[in-house]
Amino acid sequence: GAGVSQSPRYKVAKRGQDVALRCDPISGHVSLFWYQQALGQGPEFLTYFQNEAQLDKSGLPSDRFFAERPEGSVSTLKIQRTQQEDSAVYLCASSPYGINEKLFFGSGTQLSVL
Amino acid sequence: GESVGLHLPTLSVQEGDNSIINCAYSNSASDYFIWYKQESGKGPQFIIDIRSNMDKRQGQRVTVLLNKTVKHLSLQIAATQPGDSAVYFCADFGAGSYQLTFGKGTKLSVIP
Repeated sequence: GAGVSQSPRYKVAKRGQDVALRCDPISGHVSLFWYQQALGQGPEFLTYFQNEAQLDKSGLPSDRFFAERPEGSVSTLKIQRTQQEDSAVYLCASSPYGINEKLFFGSGTQLSVL
Repeated sequence: GESVGLHLPTLSVQEGDNSIINCAYSNSASDYFIWYKQESGKGPQFIIDIRSNMDKRQGQRVTVLLNKTVKHLSLQIAATQPGDSAVYFCADFGAGSYQLTFGKGTKLSVIP
């Protein structure tokens, strides 16, 4: 596609529910990143994939957060047993290769946990 | 992020004036810097980047200056337009790091 696509655009979950957020990166991009953006803050790194390999997951806030990219293209970020503090915008970004190059961001999924 | 921060949270400028947005970083190992623009409800949009072996880079109406001595980065926007109203973030990659670290952002408001 022309850009990074994320779905759903908005997600409302009841506390305790599981959610799955999808990211379609730019075709052919090797690297894929997930970021979390709280209201009024800058994006914060969650995890990084190079093709299907998850090379860095140091930013995932707890073991309730899980990300995968099984075929090296589409990625899913799953949050189990959602809590109110998980409410944020989840941004996906991709880049052609990896380190030290600009990232292209999607519009994000706004998650609200009630 | 801890390695990058911004001096001013808000900036208001008259249409047609030049804007300067500042950023301080703390990681001396950072070697690649990017400015992003984020409009309400959208993801960050790339504006301009600069590597640590440069001290100035120009784009269309934008200039980024890097002062490694004092670990300071600035974004200059010439002839600011209403469409420039957004939040601007500086971000950096530490050497060899996969993590692009963002500052908290500066909200630019353009007064018509």
